[in-house]
Amino acid sequence: EAQVTQNPRYLITVTGKKLTVTCSQNMNHEYMSWYRQDPGLGLRQIYYSMNVEVTDKGDVPEGYKVSRKEKRNFPLILESPSPNQTSLYFCASSLARTLYEQYFGPGTRLTVT
Amino acid sequence: GQQVMQIPQYQHVQEGEDFTTYCNSSTTLSNIQWYKQRPGGHPVFLIQLVKSGEVKKQKRLTFQFGEAKKNSSLHITATQTTDVGTYFCAGNFGNEKLTFGTGTRLTIIP
Repeated sequence: EAQVTQNPRYLITVTGKKLTVTCSQNMNHEYMSWYRQDPGLGLRQIYYSMNVEVTDKGDVPEGYKVSRKEKRNFPLILESPSPNQTSLYFCASSLARTLYEQYFGPGTRLTVT
Repeated sequence: GQQVMQIPQYQHVQEGEDFTTYCNSSTTLSNIQWYKQRPGGHPVFLIQLVKSGEVKKQKRLTFQFGEAKKNSSLHITATQTTDVGTYFCAGNFGNEKLTFGTGTRLTIIP
């Protein structure tokens, strides 16, 4: 089954404790991205990647890191999480660039206390 | 910056009534996509519009892209309880980023 998976689905952590949210897709998609969803703000892009070893900042990259060492995986790293990073995070992938539909993962609800 | 404004933020309709959500940009879009997110779920792609003035239909849903490629709308005819959710537009400004609108949450009164 074609899908985007994220782990963990739920995470409660404390300020400053490094964490990684994994994202994997099995569709051989080139383009992958991370979004955060907050009430009243819609979906805001954090980082995106057009292919292996190619990443770029989205609209809200501060406090986040990503890597794309393999085509299928695109982990999101929070080196020192803060309470303002409490949010619902979605990973998405598409065949290539933004002219193709985005397939979203199930989401990761992160709470930073 | 490049933004996509979406209105209304909320819409409550009686079952069987029509529903419309609008997206507007101050600059020309290369293309626009529409997504639906059910409560507790993730966004799911509905459609993409690319051409100026384009109109596409999916059963009771009608999607339009403005002549100037700066606005778009989604219209649902005779809403059903299965239409509940948040509808997002997502515009591309000719770069590799997709800019989402803030979404319209649709609730149906049975």
